[in-house]
Amino acid sequence: DAGVIQSPRHEVTEMGQEVTLRCKPISGHNSLFWYRQTMMRGLELLIYFNNNVPIDDSGMPEDRFSAKMPNASFSTLKIQPSEPRDSAVYFCATGRGAINPNEQFFGPGTRLTVL
Amino acid sequence: AQTVTQSQPEMSVQEAETVTLSCTYDTSESDYYLFWYKQPPSRQMILVIRQEAYKQQNATENRFSVNFQKAAKSFSLKISDSQLGDAAMYFCAYRSGETSGSRLTFGEGTQLTVNP
Repeated sequence: DAGVIQSPRHEVTEMGQEVTLRCKPISGHNSLFWYRQTMMRGLELLIYFNNNVPIDDSGMPEDRFSAKMPNASFSTLKIQPSEPRDSAVYFCATGRGAINPNEQFFGPGTRLTVL
Repeated sequence: AQTVTQSQPEMSVQEAETVTLSCTYDTSESDYYLFWYKQPPSRQMILVIRQEAYKQQNATENRFSVNFQKAAKSFSLKISDSQLGDAAMYFCAYRSGETSGSRLTFGEGTQLTVNP
């Protein structure tokens, strides 16, 4: 099993540009989570999906952020327009089920730098 | 809302010695799960150990064990026979077992240094 796959691993962009982060969950996992890690705020949940449906997007910072999960094997997190304060490591994690004791499996993260 | 607190921003331990990382949490729920994640310099988040709140027995995974005190809402991680590869940031995390939400709420992290 390849684990959770995220791309790109590193992204450097200029303020105002659109950024799209991608995630491929582990096969069979039906929950998908987007987390953001910064020095100031630590690890925080942005949004999560169950069976491709967004369940809780209360962590999404503002309208510049949007996430989609068009099918069970792919999700995107888009920032448009990007700002320097969006610089962070973005993690995708997946798991089985909405209520499940099993752990969430994290991808390697995407390090985003907005200049 | 649940909160997780790690009061030790940094800890250090000598190789082969034992170290304990502290974690406390606040919740009104009775059904939940607790986790310790390790984040090495590679940034990968790696599950170290998990504990179900309904289990009284403390979880153990090889050199890693927890001291789960439900009444005190404390969940410390003990690393025995510390190895250089244990050096990393360690995050304590909480997950509700009662609601349909299954988000992880993380503590601030403890940076562990292992000295040779």
